[in-house]
Amino acid sequence: ETGVTQSPTHLIKTRGQQVTLRCSSQSGHNTVSWYQQALGQGPQFIFQYYREEENGRGNFPPRFSGLQFPNYSSELNVNALELDDSALYLCASSSAGGVTDTQYFGPGTRLTVL
Amino acid sequence: QQQVKQSPQSLIVQKGGISIINCAYENTAFDYFPWYQQFPGKGPALLIAIRPDVSEKKEGRFTISFNKSAKQFSLHIMDSQPGDSATYFCAASMVNGGYQKVTFGTGTKLQVIP
Repeated sequence: ETGVTQSPTHLIKTRGQQVTLRCSSQSGHNTVSWYQQALGQGPQFIFQYYREEENGRGNFPPRFSGLQFPNYSSELNVNALELDDSALYLCASSSAGGVTDTQYFGPGTRLTVL
Repeated sequence: QQQVKQSPQSLIVQKGGISIINCAYENTAFDYFPWYQQFPGKGPALLIAIRPDVSEKKEGRFTISFNKSAKQFSLHIMDSQPGDSATYFCAASMVNGGYQKVTFGTGTKLQVIP
């Protein structure tokens, strides 16, 4: 069984640029959630995808968008990067997204915006 | 609005001691309470979880105590070991409009000294 993987590991961008982060979900999982973890803070929910559709979103502006593909891998896109977007971006996969379903996290992508 | 408050921010415990981390929540719609452990450079991993109809759950050296009326829950790590040194996050989960929404606390950095 393959765990959740994310790419790239680290990324440096400048303000105003756009970035795409990628996530491969764990085998058998059809739900992917994305989180932003600022330094010294807990993960903050961005959105969740279930069977290629966004089915839930946290308090993040529309410049944060995503995709889920037929193999359930996912992308997080951030447009017009701001300095405050610097954070660790985590994706987590689960099966069906029920309240007790365990979310399995990837190692994250560290994004630095200069 | 922070819906899950966690304390302390950091904790130093001697090997063999008991580590205690406390959390409080506000929204009574939460109905699942997981704890996550995060090592540097890794994503959070589920440690133990509890439903609100149970007052205590024990798995090995890890115990969750849950007080539904007070809207508080805590993690106890018995016989703490240096390998337990990590950041611990409490979380609260609900199904909201068809998706699993997980809200994390701000984290507790635990250091177990020999």
